[in-house]
Amino acid sequence: HLQLQESGPGLVKPSETLSLTCTVSGGSITSSSYYWGWIRQAPGKGLEWIGSFIYGGRTYYNASLKSRLTKSVDTSKNQFSLNLRSVTAADTAVYYCARHNLGNQPGLDYWGQGILVAVSS
Amino acid sequence: SYELTQPPSVSVSPGQTASIACSGDNLGNKNVCWYHQKAGQSPVLVIYQDSRRPSWIPERFSGSNSGNTATLTISETQAMDEADYFCQAWDSDTVIFGGGTKLTVL
Repeated sequence: HLQLQESGPGLVKPSETLSLTCTVSGGSITSSSYYWGWIRQAPGKGLEWIGSFIYGGRTYYNASLKSRLTKSVDTSKNQFSLNLRSVTAADTAVYYCARHNLGNQPGLDYWGQGILVAVSS
Repeated sequence: SYELTQPPSVSVSPGQTASIACSGDNLGNKNVCWYHQKAGQSPVLVIYQDSRRPSWIPERFSGSNSGNTATLTISETQAMDEADYFCQAWDSDTVIFGGGTKLTVL
């Protein structure tokens, strides 16, 4: 059974970098079939897609965040990570990692439990 | 940029059918997914590729997509279906979410 778990600091100072890691169990992030993604949700707001990638293939980013984003992968730990630079209070949100299901224009069928990150001094 | 529009709220009586619309330009040409999210929980995929259900979703949930509107239909609505519902599609290599609809069962 596939499981995803986000980890990272719960508090980040303005202008600093938010770093989050998603640990996957029950499946491999190196699969050539599945995209993996990050989504966030500001308090009381809707879902905002951050970006998605497939191992060894393309990475897609939300255009409004792209200039501040970097993703990385640690295959030895079956983890993928997100760095969001120069954060402001507007980046305060619950951050989810998720897997896209198969097919054209795939949805997100497995989600982590989410991690609340507050940006505050 | 592409937008998906949903009504902020929909109300339904228990046992009745709830319909939640999601509109976007030529949305019928895209694959639409639907998620529900209960308070304090992660979103759950309930419909993908317009009308397909994951194995963990009951048959009461169905979807359709044509023209500019996709619709999630929940038959025999139960109190446990009360949640926020989000539609989602891809446009130009970007994942787009609708603003969400709060379904109230009363």
